[in-house]
Amino acid sequence: EDQVTQSPEALRLQEGESSSLNCSYTVSGLRGLFWYRQDPGKGPEFLFTLYSAGEEKEKERLKATLTKKESFLHITAPKPEDSATYLCAVQNSGGYQKVTFGTGTKLQVIP
Amino acid sequence: DTAVSQTPKYLVTQMGNDKSIKCEQNLGHDTMYWYKQDSKKFLKIMFSYNNKELIINETVPNRFSPKSPDKAHLNLHINSLELGDSAVYFCASSLGTALYYGYTFGSGTRLTVV
Repeated sequence: EDQVTQSPEALRLQEGESSSLNCSYTVSGLRGLFWYRQDPGKGPEFLFTLYSAGEEKEKERLKATLTKKESFLHITAPKPEDSATYLCAVQNSGGYQKVTFGTGTKLQVIP
Repeated sequence: DTAVSQTPKYLVTQMGNDKSIKCEQNLGHDTMYWYKQDSKKFLKIMFSYNNKELIINETVPNRFSPKSPDKAHLNLHINSLELGDSAVYFCASSLGTALYYGYTFGSGTRLTVV
């Protein structure tokens, strides 16, 4: 069964203090790895899809990278508005192309 | 103009009752989903419909019955509610399998069974 494990569960950063979130995965044939952002009381918001090892994608202060076993979400010089829960998910290449989510990393950026 | 809208946002009900949650999307997507998010923030797929046809039905009790009257709507009816059904239920939509553009989620329905 596909599994996604995210670490740390929670992360507290000072504004401007760069860091990385980790997503380890096992999947029966990876079609894509996703990153989502979820704000309290809202549904997750799509950020990136990564398709193969070595790929990188950037959006503002966020940069996602992918290896064969894990993905990192690097946050450069974060601002308080980056505070949210970041979810990682994988889609397998099976018949249903099922998506499995991790439980997220709750990021708090303090001014 | 909300892309994926769910109603109601909050639902508090007693054990044994039957309730429905409605979902509508105005994005022209062909695939819609119901996800359940538990208290530990774990999002688990329940159902997926593509062009009104059920394509994913995870191990969900048959008290849960989805209905898709057209491509833009996916409703969820729950019979004989139990305490363990308390969670946040998210509707989502996508183009195809969501590989390239991801899901667009609604804002969720927080169901509390007392």
